[in-house]
Amino acid sequence: DIQMTQSPSTLSASVGDRVTITCRASQSISSWLAWYQQKPGKAPKLLIYDASSLESGVPSRFSGSGSGTEFTLTISSLQPDDFGTYYCQEYNNYPFYSFGQGTKLDLK
Amino acid sequence: ELQLAESGGGLVQPGGSLRLSCAASRFSFSSFWMSWVRQAPGKGLEWVATIKQDGSETYYVDSVKGRFSISRDNAKNSLYLQMNSLTGEDTAVYFCARDVPTWFDPWGQGTLVTVSS
Repeated sequence: DIQMTQSPSTLSASVGDRVTITCRASQSISSWLAWYQQKPGKAPKLLIYDASSLESGVPSRFSGSGSGTEFTLTISSLQPDDFGTYYCQEYNNYPFYSFGQGTKLDLK
Repeated sequence: ELQLAESGGGLVQPGGSLRLSCAASRFSFSSFWMSWVRQAPGKGLEWVATIKQDGSETYYVDSVKGRFSISRDNAKNSLYLQMNSLTGEDTAVYFCARDVPTWFDPWGQGTLVTVSS
């Protein structure tokens, strides 16, 4: 099984900050990685797929990069609506999937 | 806007059974793989099960294999999850999601399953 590890687990930041979240895979997953944002009590929302492709309608301040075992999600200038929990998800062994444990982004 | 709406959650005793449903609308349901993903209270996301467009292939996480069964009715645009032999570790919000395939989009709003005596 592929293990996905996100860091940090919690991140405090201010509006306007540049924020980076890292996701590491226990083995190479090429670029088979997605990122989601989840607000409390809501369903996850797709942000990025194939490691760096921006989902339609997602603001351009979100970007993804990486391949192999290390990936990053970057928010170039944090906005008030961006607070929540972020998850990475691998699909290298589709249709078996695994998620990272999540990174909670809150207001400093 | 694509829509998925889960139902069927509730309180069930350990060892009991429950059947979840997910109604899809505004997309060609029969053309897509579909999945269930769960989230225990205060925890992260866990993939549970996936089914092919015609129902001919199903896949499960090891922890539910033999206890849960995913199925679909394309004529009714509906996805199901039959859950048997439930334990406290199955307590979670269960989301249905369109499997694009490989990533999940969109997701339903979720339905809470609580396993407790």
